Amino acid sequence: GESVGLHLPTLSVQEGDNSIINCAYSNSASDYFIWYKQESGKGPQFIIDIRSNMDKRQGQRVTVLLNKTVKHLSLQIAATQPGDSAVYFCADTLPSGGGADGLTFGKGTHLIIQP
Amino acid sequence: EAQVTQNPRYLITVTGKKLTVTCSQNMNHEYMSWYRQDPGLGLRQIYYSMNVEVTDKGDVPEGYKVSRKEKRNFPLILESPSPNQTSLYFCASSASSGRETQYFGPGTRLLVL
Repeated sequence: GESVGLHLPTLSVQEGDNSIINCAYSNSASDYFIWYKQESGKGPQFIIDIRSNMDKRQGQRVTVLLNKTVKHLSLQIAATQPGDSAVYFCADTLPSGGGADGLTFGKGTHLIIQP
Repeated sequence: EAQVTQNPRYLITVTGKKLTVTCSQNMNHEYMSWYRQDPGLGLRQIYYSMNVEVTDKGDVPEGYKVSRKEKRNFPLILESPSPNQTSLYFCASSASSGRETQYFGPGTRLLVL
């Protein structure tokens, strides 16, 4: 499958600041993208998703931006809190019939919150 | 509560001793999948199942077996575990396909000596 990667393995931010986690994907045909959060000792947890016909989607304190021109995805977390400390990774998938069935996951960025 | 459960959560075993990790979901999902997560390699798919009695290999199926006799259960079987199967394993499910949001279990940490 195609690779989905992250620019930085670790991101350290001050509590209360905004966090931006980046992701680059390689297959321009990918049409669905998901951000997951994985806390220590737990399974990945869905945060937010976006389809390729959109360039922005907002949730509670989180925003995902999609730039299809440069195949780039970002997750913005507003007013970062200690509970946001986790590994974040993106995943993408191709349209049905476009190749392997399933999600391709990035390796993750560890978000560290400084007090 | 909608969830994916796995058992056991932690397991230490020896090379060659058959083991089974169970996975169950209560969301009536058709699609279920097993992943292993290793440092530096991220999540890699082992096997998946589109529905009862339908299973397919993922990216790293060697040394594993699965079965899907019931919609809610998707056990992972290691017939003869080896040390290179030491890993963190996750079961996941989604409503109808692997191309949509998958919901993960809490993970099973396996150590093969």
